[in-house]
Amino acid sequence: EAQVTQNPRYLITVTGKKLTVTCSQNMNHEYMSWYRQDPGLGLRQIYYSMNVEVTDKGDVPEGYKVSRKEKRNFPLILESPSPNQTSLYFCASSVQGSYEQYFGPGTRLTVT
Amino acid sequence: GQQVMQIPQYQHVQEGEDFTTYCNSSTTLSNIQWYKQRPGGHPVFLIQLVKSGEVKKQKRLTFQFGEAKKNSSLHITATQTTDVGTYFCAGEIQGAQKLVFGQGTRLTINP
Repeated sequence: EAQVTQNPRYLITVTGKKLTVTCSQNMNHEYMSWYRQDPGLGLRQIYYSMNVEVTDKGDVPEGYKVSRKEKRNFPLILESPSPNQTSLYFCASSVQGSYEQYFGPGTRLTVT
Repeated sequence: GQQVMQIPQYQHVQEGEDFTTYCNSSTTLSNIQWYKQRPGGHPVFLIQLVKSGEVKKQKRLTFQFGEAKKNSSLHITATQTTDVGTYFCAGEIQGAQKLVFGQGTRLTINP
């Protein structure tokens, strides 16, 4: 089954404790992206990757890092999480950046 | 900043009433896509519009792309409780090769 998986689905952590949210897709998609969803703000892009070893900043990259060492994986790293990073995070993949996006199930992160 | 604006932010209707959400961009779009997110779920692709003035239908849903390719709408006829959710538009700014999402319209329905 074609899908995008994210782990963990839920995470409560404390300020400053490094964390990684994993994302994996099995559709051989070139393009992968991370979004955060906040009430009233819709989906805002954090980082995206057009291919292996190619990443670029989205609209709200501050406080986040990503890597794309393999085509199927695109982890999101928060080196020193802060409360304003409390949000719902979605990973998505597609054939190309402007094509239909396939979203993962989401990761709800709370930073206290 | 947000380049694709979507209104209204919320809409509550009685079951059987119609519903419309609008999407506007300050710049010309190469294409526009619509997604639906059920409560507690993730966005799911509905449709893509590419041509100026294009109209597409999916059962009770009608999607339009404006002549200038700067605005779009989604109209649902005779809403049902299964239509509950948040509807997002996402436009590709010409030359950007990525999508910019609107803020979404959250639809709730009184059965």
